[in-house]
Amino acid sequence: SQKIEQNSEALNIQEGKTATLTCNYTNYSPAYLQWYRQDPGRGPVFLLLIRENEKEKRKERLKVTFDTTLKQSLFHITASQPADSATYLCALPDMGRRALTFGSGTRLQVQP
Amino acid sequence: EPEVTQTPSHQVTQMGQEVILRCVPISNHLYFYWYRQILGQKVEFLVSFYNNEISEKSEIFDDQFSVERPDGSNFTLKIRSTKLEDSAMYFCASRMGAPGTGELFFGEGSRLTVL
Repeated sequence: SQKIEQNSEALNIQEGKTATLTCNYTNYSPAYLQWYRQDPGRGPVFLLLIRENEKEKRKERLKVTFDTTLKQSLFHITASQPADSATYLCALPDMGRRALTFGSGTRLQVQP
Repeated sequence: EPEVTQTPSHQVTQMGQEVILRCVPISNHLYFYWYRQILGQKVEFLVSFYNNEISEKSEIFDDQFSVERPDGSNFTLKIRSTKLEDSAMYFCASRMGAPGTGELFFGEGSRLTVL
């Protein structure tokens, strides 16, 4: 089955800097990939979806890239703010399955 | 803004007891899901439901689990005889279109504690 790897170490950055989070996957390449935000004790909230034929997707301060050769997606938050502090989850459909499989997430801490 | 609502927010039960977790998906959504998250671990898929039947389930979703859409609005997860390892946050989610066409909307979760 698909293995999704996200950096389990928390990412600490200063306010105003760009945060870059990585999602690597093994095995087959999915048709699309999604990113979600999760705050402690709350449900995930959808941020962006990127398809295999799209190299890059933007939404306000967020940018996602999808490199099917490297089997990697990068998630960027520009001009980061303390309110961006949360865990960010990468999700994609596993082989032979249509439901989303989630990575373990990377916790982002933006220092004021 | 429409949202997925879940009840109860927290339930404490004794091992071996039956538990029913309830969800009201967004009204025009067609695909429904249950996920769970054990404390400190990742969000894990349990089951998906479409057109009044299970469309996919994971290895976690064994005979102790069942889902039902008893009416036009509720979507329930039943755990027949709870075990200690069932303690987790259970998230309901719904989607309007087919998988791959858009986002999953999650509820705020039901925390289940099995003693």
